Amino acid sequence: GNSVTQMEGPVTLSEEAFLTINCTYTATGYPSLFWYVQYPGEGLQLLLKATKADDKGSNKGFEATYRKETTSFHLEKGSVQVSDSAVYFCALSEGGSEKLVFGKGTKLTVNP
Amino acid sequence: DAGVIQSPRHEVTEMGQEVTLRCKPISGHNSLFWYRQTMMRGLELLIYFNNNVPIDDSGMPEDRFSAKMPNASFSTLKIQPSEPRDSAVYFCASSWRGFGETQYFGPGTRLLVL
Repeated sequence: GNSVTQMEGPVTLSEEAFLTINCTYTATGYPSLFWYVQYPGEGLQLLLKATKADDKGSNKGFEATYRKETTSFHLEKGSVQVSDSAVYFCALSEGGSEKLVFGKGTKLTVNP
Repeated sequence: DAGVIQSPRHEVTEMGQEVTLRCKPISGHNSLFWYRQTMMRGLELLIYFNNNVPIDDSGMPEDRFSAKMPNASFSTLKIQPSEPRDSAVYFCASSWRGFGETQYFGPGTRLLVL
């Protein structure tokens, strides 16, 4: 079945460091790919998404490119801030379905 | 836009009691999802509705769990009887039906069963 694998955390960085959180997927067909972020005590919110191969999603300085050849959707940010501390979830939307399949989440802590 | 509204935000109950969680989706959205989040199992989809009809309930853990959506603006998730292993954060999310559409999550209900 469809699945999402993301790097295990937690990840701890200093402010202004470069961030990469790896995400790979297994899917039949052509899924849409998402990154959601969950701040402490809150629900998940969409960070960015890409719906077809080679699309780049971007938001708030975060970027991820849909790579069909490597089945990956890695999240990157050039300079993280303390306010980026949260849990990040990679997800895919199964082809033809509304269901989202989530990775286990990666907790990011950014220290001043 | 008020976003997805869930109530209560916190619930503490004793084993064996009935628990009812409530959700009001974003107006105009026609799909609604119930998720459960725990440290051990991560985020799990329990059930989802489209146009008030249950489409996939394969994630509902057992008969103690039931969900209803009597109209487009209200859904409930009921646990009867509750058990300590049901302790988790329960999220409701809604979307406009479509492949690749964004789901909007509520703030969650944190349930503790003693």
